[in-house]
Amino acid sequence: DAKTTQPPSMDCAEGRAANLPCNHSTISGNEYVYWYRQIHSQGPQYIIHGLKNNETNEMASLIITEDRKSSTLILPHATLRDTAVYYCIVPLIQGAQKLVFGQGTRLTINP
Amino acid sequence: NAGVMQNPRHLVRRRGQEARLRCSPVKGHSHVYWYRQLPEEGLKFMVYLQKENIIDESGMPKERFSAEFPKEGPSILRIQQVVRGDSAAYFCASSPPRTGALGSPLHFGNGTRLTVT
Repeated sequence: DAKTTQPPSMDCAEGRAANLPCNHSTISGNEYVYWYRQIHSQGPQYIIHGLKNNETNEMASLIITEDRKSSTLILPHATLRDTAVYYCIVPLIQGAQKLVFGQGTRLTINP
Repeated sequence: NAGVMQNPRHLVRRRGQEARLRCSPVKGHSHVYWYRQLPEEGLKFMVYLQKENIIDESGMPKERFSAEFPKEGPSILRIQQVVRGDSAAYFCASSPPRTGALGSPLHFGNGTRLTVT
């Protein structure tokens, strides 16, 4: 997989936007960026993915820089239930889905 | 529409026994993946299967571990002669057949937590 770099931990106040950065400077032109999260004691949950355009769904927004070397996951109105480890993943072969989970960012939402 | 179902949720085995972990994928999904998460570590890929075929087992330990996804029934991850180091959470994921260049996100179950005493 293209190597991704994420901060190990972040804090955010409840109700505010949580912005989680990810660097993937070695990404190639046809590789997608995927975001998953893992809430304690649960399986990973898919959040969103994108190629080069910004994406939005009911859970989050994904902003990918024009050079595609970094991206930001935005949770617009964070709640306590958003406390989790967030993983930014770039699978090596599009469609292979052999995901490599790094250490991710441990996001804590504070009341 | 049920998600990925894994059972049992918790499994306790003594050293030397066998552990069988079951995974029923999302209805209509023909691809199954197994991942392992050791305590305080990230998830590691183990094996990728389609119906009756092992596609990629590069993450499977060379001995004692096997996986299958038969034509009928759930996928099974089997660990023979378990040792304490096998204690971990084992997650199954599934995805539909891929079409075109856009890969489908994986849908994960909530895992089986194996404890070897």
